[in-house]
Amino acid sequence: AQSVTQLGSHVSVSEGALVLLRCNYSSSVPPYLFWYVQYPNQGLQLLLKYTSAATLVKGINGFEAEFKKSETSFHLTKPSAHMSDAAEYFCAVSSSGGYQKVTFGIGTKLQVIP
Amino acid sequence: EPEVTQTPSHQVTQMGQEVILRCVPISNHLYFYWYRQILGQKVEFLVSFYNNEISEKSEIFDDQFSVERPDGSNFTLKIRSTKLEDSAMYFCASRQGALGDTQYFGPGTRLTVL
Repeated sequence: AQSVTQLGSHVSVSEGALVLLRCNYSSSVPPYLFWYVQYPNQGLQLLLKYTSAATLVKGINGFEAEFKKSETSFHLTKPSAHMSDAAEYFCAVSSSGGYQKVTFGIGTKLQVIP
Repeated sequence: EPEVTQTPSHQVTQMGQEVILRCVPISNHLYFYWYRQILGQKVEFLVSFYNNEISEKSEIFDDQFSVERPDGSNFTLKIRSTKLEDSAMYFCASRQGALGDTQYFGPGTRLTVL
């Protein structure tokens, strides 16, 4: 079984400030972990993924995430928020084997204040 | 860059009617998925499909739902008799099948049941 918990359904940051979106996972097998972004009325775009290689993963648009097994966490960060980062962010987990269905978190809406 | 496409982008139907949502996965991908997102809720797994058969399905995917790959390119989700609670955004996804690969999501079909 696998699950994801995202802390904070809404996060507000000032433009230029650090973005930190929290995600904790639970998985009975070695996981693959993902962050997806969804802009209003659009589909899901992959930001980055962890698939058991480097624990610090860099993604698109300046985002990165660090896999910490001891903390079962995969928090998403960006050093400096931009207005265009305003969107909903979903943390997700899948198993590394099998058919790899993806289990999503509830999502975090990021607001960037000018 | 290849992408998953879905049609229609928005479907409105009356309760009790049958609907077919269509997806064209990326051409060399072997695993196919349907997910749904009820407004304001998280994205939920419905079904995975591999080698022309369902490989895994969730408890949401009851007898009212069926999937098919009628030819070499399309992947469809049929809802036999729609209910009000089927109103949601439905996402199709596909992946190639290599270790560590990514599920690519389509833009979604918004289904509204009246």
